[in-house]
Amino acid sequence: DIQMTQSPSTLSASVGDRVTITCRASQSITTSLAWYQQKPGKAPNLLIYAASTLESGVPSRFSGSGSGTEFTLTISSLQPDDFATYYCQHYGSTSNTFGQGTKLEI
Amino acid sequence: EVQLLESGGALVQPGGSLRLSCAASGFTFSTNAMSWVRQAPGKGLEWVAAIGDSGVTTYYADSVRGRFTISRDNSKNTLYLQMNSLRAEDTAVYYCAKDKPGTTWDSWGQGTLVTVSS
Repeated sequence: DIQMTQSPSTLSASVGDRVTITCRASQSITTSLAWYQQKPGKAPNLLIYAASTLESGVPSRFSGSGSGTEFTLTISSLQPDDFATYYCQHYGSTSNTFGQGTKLEI
Repeated sequence: EVQLLESGGALVQPGGSLRLSCAASGFTFSTNAMSWVRQAPGKGLEWVAAIGDSGVTTYYADSVRGRFTISRDNSKNTLYLQMNSLRAEDTAVYYCAKDKPGTTWDSWGQGTLVTVSS
């Protein structure tokens, strides 16, 4: 099974900061990677799929990059609404695996 | 607007059974694959099961294979998850999620809580 490892587990930042979250796959997943944002008590919200394609309606300050085994999510200028937990996810036809999550704190 | 409304969550004893439902609206249900994803209290996300648009093809996580069954009724726009032989570690909020064709899930329900405890 493919394992997904995110880092860091917790990230402290301030409004206006540029932040990057990293996700590593245990083997190549080409670009079958998504990023989700989740706020407490809410369902996850899709931000990026295919490693770098921004989901409709998601602000352009979010961007994704990478392929193979290493991926990044970048928020160019943090807004108050961005403080949440972020998950990477490998998607496939027969299985799906999430990273353990990165909590972005003020 | 896509809407997914889960129901059926409850407190159940270990070894018991439960069926979750997810009522879908706002899109053509019969042409979309669907999945169930769960989240234990204070923990991360775990994919549980997936089903193709016609209901013929199903996939399961190793942790639930043989105990859970995913199904759908396209005439009722409803997704189901039959959960048998429940364990304490199955305690979680269960979300249904709609596939974005060829990729991942672009719409999620609000979740329903399943608690397995004596």
